[in-house]
Amino acid sequence: DQQVKQNSPSLSVQEGRISILNCDYTNSMFDYFLWYKKYPAEGPTFLISISSIKDKNEDGRFTVFLNKSAKHLSLHIVPSQPGDSAVYFCAASAGAQKLVFGQGTRLTINP
Amino acid sequence: SAVISQKPSRDICQRGTSLTIQCQVDSQVTMMFWYRQQPGQSLTLIATANQGSEATYESGFVIDKFPISRPNLTFSTLTVSNMSPEDSSIYLCSVDGLMNEQFFGPGTRLTVL
Repeated sequence: DQQVKQNSPSLSVQEGRISILNCDYTNSMFDYFLWYKKYPAEGPTFLISISSIKDKNEDGRFTVFLNKSAKHLSLHIVPSQPGDSAVYFCAASAGAQKLVFGQGTRLTINP
Repeated sequence: SAVISQKPSRDICQRGTSLTIQCQVDSQVTMMFWYRQQPGQSLTLIATANQGSEATYESGFVIDKFPISRPNLTFSTLTVSNMSPEDSSIYLCSVDGLMNEQFFGPGTRLTVL
């Protein structure tokens, strides 16, 4: 049972444009959501998070949107840069700090 | 955020043998976590390790196969026992942050022949 789903295994975006990565979840008990970025041969790096009491959180070029009624969150990166090329994982937790991860989306930023 | 190191960074092992992976953190942390990322898959939590108590294992993972030690607040080990090719994965440790985020080590890439 995949509680956190990233339905797009890959995404290609032109440099300077907006990248939108999507994530859906099924467990209504999740109350905290996170995005991680992973380069090859490195561990995941924490990017940004959002609590279920909010619908938006912004940090520089990164914004996470949460739609609780749709059980959907998205990560917006604008403007996209070549260094943003990586695999992005969304994750969710239900208060106990156990993180449940999606399958990941490979983002490629083209010059 | 904490600085986390893992040893070894990679290894190639023969089936039937065991490998112990070390995780070192530069500050004291309450909870440490061990994950597995099989090829092309997501990260799956193996167990949560608290200092001074036995690790808590997730469904599908057992102590005999993945024994964990947590001797102090900055160190933990995960052993992959009696390995088979299906154990070929990246093994990652992580620690909890001030909020609900976790910070990850660089991972150990294990190949079992």
